[in-house]
Amino acid sequence: GENVEQHPSTLSVQEGDSAVIKCTYSDSASNYFPWYKQELGKGPQLIIDIRSNVGEKKDQRIAVTLNKTAKHFSLHITETQPEDSAVYFCAASIGNTPLVFGKGTRLSVIA
Amino acid sequence: GAVVSQHPSWVICKSGTSVKIECRSLDFQATTMFWYRQFPKQSLMLMATSNEGSKATYEQGVEKDKFLINHASLTLSTLTVTSAHPEDSSFYICSATRGREGIGQYFGPGTRLTVT
Repeated sequence: GENVEQHPSTLSVQEGDSAVIKCTYSDSASNYFPWYKQELGKGPQLIIDIRSNVGEKKDQRIAVTLNKTAKHFSLHITETQPEDSAVYFCAASIGNTPLVFGKGTRLSVIA
Repeated sequence: GAVVSQHPSWVICKSGTSVKIECRSLDFQATTMFWYRQFPKQSLMLMATSNEGSKATYEQGVEKDKFLINHASLTLSTLTVTSAHPEDSSFYICSATRGREGIGQYFGPGTRLTVT
């Protein structure tokens, strides 16, 4: 079955700097790749997603890139702010099958 | 759109009792709902997949007789933890998909269960 690896497990950046989180997946049939932000004591919030027919997607300060050949995808957050501090999870799925999650990255933005 | 609610947000119960957690899609009809549990500082672990009107599909290692899932309508799924024990204490989160493709999961706020 699908396996998703996520790195790094923790990331600290200065406010205003960029943050990059990377994930790799094992099943080449996977075609949907969402990213979730989870704040303490809350459920995950979908922040951006990408499908396999697209190489890059951007939404304001957040962007996701996908390399199908290498089977990896990345989350880029620019101009980070303290409120970006949270745990971020990547995931992958084939169509509407259950998502397989990475282990998460704890992002700390230092003011 | 795509709001999912859970009730209760937290619950404390005594060992041996049962607890029911509700998951509702508020502004859409959910083709599929999922139940996860999450231990502190860990990722989400899928427990079961639930489609309206049919039996839930449980992941390996999840006891279906202990974690009862009922998906009575396109907007409501319930998880009942029966005969709860302290090791069942966890953060339980549901999610729902919408649309014909059923791609894209929207998560509820989670329910913190503490069994004493």
